[in-house]
Amino acid sequence: TQLLEQSPQFLSIQEGENLTVYCNSSSVFSSLQWYRQEPGEGPVLLVTVVTGGEVKKLKRLTFQFGDARKDSSLHITAAQPGDTGLYLCAGRGSSNTGKLIFGQGTTLQVKP
Amino acid sequence: GAVVSQHPSWVICKSGTSVKIECRSLDFQATTMFWYRQFPKQSLMLMATSNEGSKATYEQGVEKDKFLINHASLTLSTLTVTSAHPEDSSFYICSATYSGTQYFGPGTRLLVL
Repeated sequence: TQLLEQSPQFLSIQEGENLTVYCNSSSVFSSLQWYRQEPGEGPVLLVTVVTGGEVKKLKRLTFQFGDARKDSSLHITAAQPGDTGLYLCAGRGSSNTGKLIFGQGTTLQVKP
Repeated sequence: GAVVSQHPSWVICKSGTSVKIECRSLDFQATTMFWYRQFPKQSLMLMATSNEGSKATYEQGVEKDKFLINHASLTLSTLTVTSAHPEDSSFYICSATYSGTQYFGPGTRLLVL
């Protein structure tokens, strides 16, 4: 069974601080997605990483896929209150079912 | 882009009644859709995989007679919560795959009284 361990699960920081969220597994994933979800809404895709070692940037967000495609990180620089939300990593497993394996999620609160 | 809609966005029902939730892919066809359940401040829990024209595949521990799934067309899947009870109250989210990426609907909040 493939699992994704996401940490930390809760994070409360001040505006302007940096933070990193991690997703780790002992399994290899063919791709990994990061989503952001606001209360009462569905998750919105932020990025998909596919190649080991890949780094993608989305404004103040930097996503990295581990060389072995077993882990990923999301780094936010100079966090703003608008970054508040639930961040989810999800890996596409080895089966052909198309199912995603989700991490536990990270609830981020950025205080002004 | 790939847009997935859900209807209704929220529903309140009495215990013992059945509730149907629709999931539609608006600008693409989806042979496979997924149904998730989510509790407050927790991650998504996959309930079942909905396959167009065939039976749904349920995850372990999910009662197929309780949560009926029908995927009658390439753009519509429905989830029916039968004989709903208060413990079925939750946020239900569907997703559909487009070009290898899952896109999520806005979710349906179900409250069973």
